Amino acid sequence: DTAVSQTPKYLVTQMGNDKSIKCEQNLGHDTMYWYKQDSKKFLKIMFSYNNKELIINETVPNRFSPKSPDKAHLNLHINSLELGDSAVYFCASSQGWGARETQYFGPGTRLLVL
Amino acid sequence: RKEVEQDPGPFNVPEGATVAFNCTYSNSASQSFFWYRQDCRKEPKLLMSVYSSGNEDGRFTAQLNRASQYISLLIRDSKLSDSATYLCVVNNPSNTGKLIFGQGTTLQVKP
Repeated sequence: DTAVSQTPKYLVTQMGNDKSIKCEQNLGHDTMYWYKQDSKKFLKIMFSYNNKELIINETVPNRFSPKSPDKAHLNLHINSLELGDSAVYFCASSQGWGARETQYFGPGTRLLVL
Repeated sequence: RKEVEQDPGPFNVPEGATVAFNCTYSNSASQSFFWYRQDCRKEPKLLMSVYSSGNEDGRFTAQLNRASQYISLLIRDSKLSDSATYLCVVNNPSNTGKLIFGQGTTLQVKP
């Protein structure tokens, strides 16, 4: 009965590889997000989709590409992985898009690039 | 200046103590304020929203001072289970659904 789930939980890979992280929410929410939490613990928004439409696209390298096949799923594909991509990536969802929406986070995917 | 600033701590307090965390934000037009809690190696979870009039939820009290652009969280009668990182969160007024997270303040409650 997990609300927001992510796979895989851990990802260890070599520089230059391409990898994907999947996210699914069963809350019936319209909005989904990808965040990156670096080693200094700062949590920063990367992307957000509302009803499958991209509404936030922060200044991230274009090696990162989100895809939302439907409202319940938001995947993140990363090309040509670099050492600096090592971080924890959190998916989140909220009922709608607005200032007062509570965001529900997935358990995170710990990415280590060697 | 960072958009949301917090003292990272750690704050080490004995059980039963009262502890207060502060947070400042840079954009006076921000409209929504929250405290999230993040346990070690876990995801952030909403602890409470912060309203202009201040609000209380059990042992937790949140206050907002718009004039000083300052948010606080007070925890009374600290429990061991309160040990976590507390994230101050503010919305971006030019993109209302976008949340800006502080670095977090780490609390360790000792027996």
